[in-house]
Amino acid sequence: GQQVMQIPQYQHVQEGEDFTTYCNSSTTLSNIQWYKQRPGGHPVFLIQLVKSGEVKKQKRLTFQFGEAKKNSSLHITATQTTDVGTYFCAGPGGTYKYIFGTGTRLKVLA
Amino acid sequence: AAGVIQSPRHLIKEKRETATLKCYPIPRHDTVYWYQQGPGQDPQFLISFYEKMQSDKGSIPDRFSAQQFSDYHSELNMSSLELGDSALYFCASSPAGVTYNEQFFGPGTRLTVL
Repeated sequence: GQQVMQIPQYQHVQEGEDFTTYCNSSTTLSNIQWYKQRPGGHPVFLIQLVKSGEVKKQKRLTFQFGEAKKNSSLHITATQTTDVGTYFCAGPGGTYKYIFGTGTRLKVLA
Repeated sequence: AAGVIQSPRHLIKEKRETATLKCYPIPRHDTVYWYQQGPGQDPQFLISFYEKMQSDKGSIPDRFSAQQFSDYHSELNMSSLELGDSALYFCASSPAGVTYNEQFFGPGTRLTVL
């Protein structure tokens, strides 16, 4: 079945360092969504990418959708302690169905 | 702003018992998704509803059933509970009319099966 993998599984960074998580799908995606889940919280939508090669920025966060629409990345510049959490990508697996990636858990050391 | 409401927030059941989880989507959201998340795991898609009709099914056991009612709230019914059913169950809703919409997640129901 369709699989969405993310690397790395865990990342510890010093505050102020950059962070990148990579998302790879076994199938071509029509779009990809990114979510952030704080410890003890629920997933919160960050962004959706639709076009091949699309790049979107939200303040210190940069999201990219690969040319083949099978991979995506999230880059955070100069991490802050508020960036702590697990970042998930999610791709459609049906009309109203999303397959979540395995997630990258980010820890930021002050 | 209104958010997705889930009840109860915590539920403790014994093996072989039944449980009913409720989800109240954001007003004017017509699509509801259910996910199961184990500790340290990613959310696993269970089932979705669009305009009160079942849309997609994921890894939902036959012991589970769900429906969406005329007021768009949804219920997940779980029978013959097993220890492995212990998890966080999230409901999410999406606005009407457009596929591939962002999902607004509720706070979740933490189910513990003893």
